[in-house]
Amino acid sequence: QVQLQESGPRLVKPSETLSLTCSVSGGSISSDYWSWIRQPAGKGLEWIGRIYTSGTDYNPSSGSTNYNPSLKSRVTMSVGPSKNQFSLKLNSVTAADTAVYYCAREAPEGFGEQWGQGTLVTVSS
Amino acid sequence: DIQMTQSPSTLSASVGDRVTITCRASQSISGWLAWYQQKPGKAPKLLIYKASSLESGVPSRFSGSGSGTEFTLTISSLQPDDFATYYCQQYHGFSTFGQGTKLEIK
Repeated sequence: QVQLQESGPRLVKPSETLSLTCSVSGGSISSDYWSWIRQPAGKGLEWIGRIYTSGTDYNPSSGSTNYNPSLKSRVTMSVGPSKNQFSLKLNSVTAADTAVYYCAREAPEGFGEQWGQGTLVTVSS
Repeated sequence: DIQMTQSPSTLSASVGDRVTITCRASQSISGWLAWYQQKPGKAPKLLIYKASSLESGVPSRFSGSGSGTEFTLTISSLQPDDFATYYCQQYHGFSTFGQGTKLEIK
């Protein structure tokens, strides 16, 4: 069973770009579905989007992406920066983007099979 | 967007009780529904997928049912470890979650 771990800056200034990386261990990220979900403190879960990774075990590459329409204009998901990692970028952030961000492995149908532990990102000047 | 509405928002129950949580979709999602359990400070844990399929390793006291727009999660005999918040998720279109049901000790 794969394990996932989120990493990235914990504090981001308003109007800047939030960047997170999910490191996957115990398996390859190739030919699978990977997603990002967030949860503001004390609130519910919001699906941000997912990426299908194509390529090979040795050289996974970005495949198709699907984003939440409410965030689509600000979100980019990609493979990398290193092997067995995938990334999230959310630009033009505001305080409303403050949340715990989770990465997850999704089944092809779309539910989250395995989740990272989550990382709190705060948007503040 | 497909809206998911869970009820109740909070549920008080005792160890050994049978409890049911309901999730309603704003339009038909066939059986594309999952249930998760979340404890404070932890990531959600998958319990049920495809409305009624039990995830491997999840105790059989958890069960799910429903199709179309109405779904239920049932815990047949509450155990101390079950007190947590439960979320439903539809994945018919882009995914959306219910607002959560907090299961508290009575």
